[in-house]
Amino acid sequence: GQNIDQPTEMTATEGAIVQINCTYQTSGFNGLFWYQQHAGEAPTFLSYNVLDGLEEKGRFSSFLSRSKGYSYLLLKELQMKDSASYLCVPLYNQGGKLIFGQGTELSVKP
Amino acid sequence: SQTIHQWPATLVQPVGSPLSLECTVEGTSNPNLYWYRQAAGRGLQLLFYSVGIGQISSEVPQNLSASRPQDRQFILSSKKLLLSDSGFYLCAWSPLKGTRGGSEQFFGPGTRLTVL
Repeated sequence: GQNIDQPTEMTATEGAIVQINCTYQTSGFNGLFWYQQHAGEAPTFLSYNVLDGLEEKGRFSSFLSRSKGYSYLLLKELQMKDSASYLCVPLYNQGGKLIFGQGTELSVKP
Repeated sequence: SQTIHQWPATLVQPVGSPLSLECTVEGTSNPNLYWYRQAAGRGLQLLFYSVGIGQISSEVPQNLSASRPQDRQFILSSKKLLLSDSGFYLCAWSPLKGTRGGSEQFFGPGTRLTVL
């Protein structure tokens, strides 16, 4: 399997910074997506990393290390609306199929 | 711009009844299409994917089937629903080749199915 490993739950305070880590199997790896899913809703695309390094997009940044099989999603200036599940989704050489894990349930508290 | 539609939004069906969920995509041609199911508190499970009309790949054995009668239409069906079929069903599409070689998937609003 793809052995996606990310924390099940995290809690953070409004206005703070939180980092959600993810490790995955590197064999056949092409790139990595991060999706956000609010309860009862469909996932929405956040980012896609192919090359090593940090990609910043507003309050959200995503980092990738291909050699280490490691990625993280960094959320700055947390808002209550950021409470959601964050899904680390690696892409492998499987004709475009994505493997979704359970994700990290982030709770932002006042 | 591209949009993806799913209906119905919610559905309550008795055990043993048939099922038909429909998904359509607008604003793109020859997309890859996917059906996922998400049980309560669980991750997304890929059920079927299709790279073209009439081409369906099944990921897990089950009592569900999928069909793609038109380029932008994807249908999920069952002849007899089981209790375990309850869940949140999501249709998604991706470009044949996404940006930077990736294939980001865009999801429809989902159908919440309860089998009683």
